[in-house]
Amino acid sequence: GEDVEQSLFLSVREGDSSVINCTYTDSSSTYLYWYKQEPGAGLQLLTYIFSNMDMKQDQRLTVLLNKKDKHLSLRIADTQTGDSAIYFCAVNDYKLSFGAGTTVTVRA
Amino acid sequence: DTGVSQDPRHKITKRGQNVTFRCDPISEHNRLYWYRQTLGQGPEFLTYFQNEAQLEKSRLLSDRFSAERPKGSFSTLEIQRTEQGDSAMYLCASSVAGDGFYNEQFFGPGTRLTVL
Repeated sequence: GEDVEQSLFLSVREGDSSVINCTYTDSSSTYLYWYKQEPGAGLQLLTYIFSNMDMKQDQRLTVLLNKKDKHLSLRIADTQTGDSAIYFCAVNDYKLSFGAGTTVTVRA
Repeated sequence: DTGVSQDPRHKITKRGQNVTFRCDPISEHNRLYWYRQTLGQGPEFLTYFQNEAQLEKSRLLSDRFSAERPKGSFSTLEIQRTEQGDSAMYLCASSVAGDGFYNEQFFGPGTRLTVL
C-alpha cells in the first residue's frame, strides 16, 4: 500500500506559523488531503489540493505540493490555541492512506 | 444533514466474544468506508461499499471480520472471536461516488473497541 510519512510532534508559540510536512510514495493520487483530529472528536477535513496544483491557500491555511519530491506541507498562519490537535495528511482517491499524524501543541 | 453516526461509541468485550458495530452514513451518500485506527497511528482502510456492493477489502480484514450494507444505507461491521489485537477505534466514513473528481469523505465519531 501507500506509505505516508509525517514528523510526529510540533510545538509552536501562539501567533507564530506552523509548518507540518508529509512525504508519500505513490504519485497517482488525484487529490491530497489534510485532516484534523481533536480529542474525542472525529476526523475533520481541513483542506485538500488537486495534484496538478503547486499551492492552495485557504484563509490561514497554505498547502504546498512538490510532486517531484512527493512532498506535501501544511502551513498554519497565526497559530491559535484552538489549533492544538493531531494533523494527518492523506493520499489516494478513495481508500485513503494516512500518515501517523503530527501532534501540534500551541504554547502561550 | 446530521452527519455520519456510529453506534455504539464505546464497546468493551472479553476475548473470544463477537461484536457488531453500526454506521449510518449521510443520507445521499452512496459510498461507505470502514477504517481502523490504533493508538498513535493514522486510520487504515478496511473496506468500502458503493450502494450495497462491497467493492474492496483490505488484507487487514481477516476472516473474522465481515461487513455488510444490505440496503445500501446503514452498514454493520462484525468481528467474530475478538482478540486483544482488535482493540482500536473503528471509523466509518461516507461520500458521494466519483473517481477522478473531488469527493470528500465525511467521518463519523468512531467506535472505540477494547478487548480484555
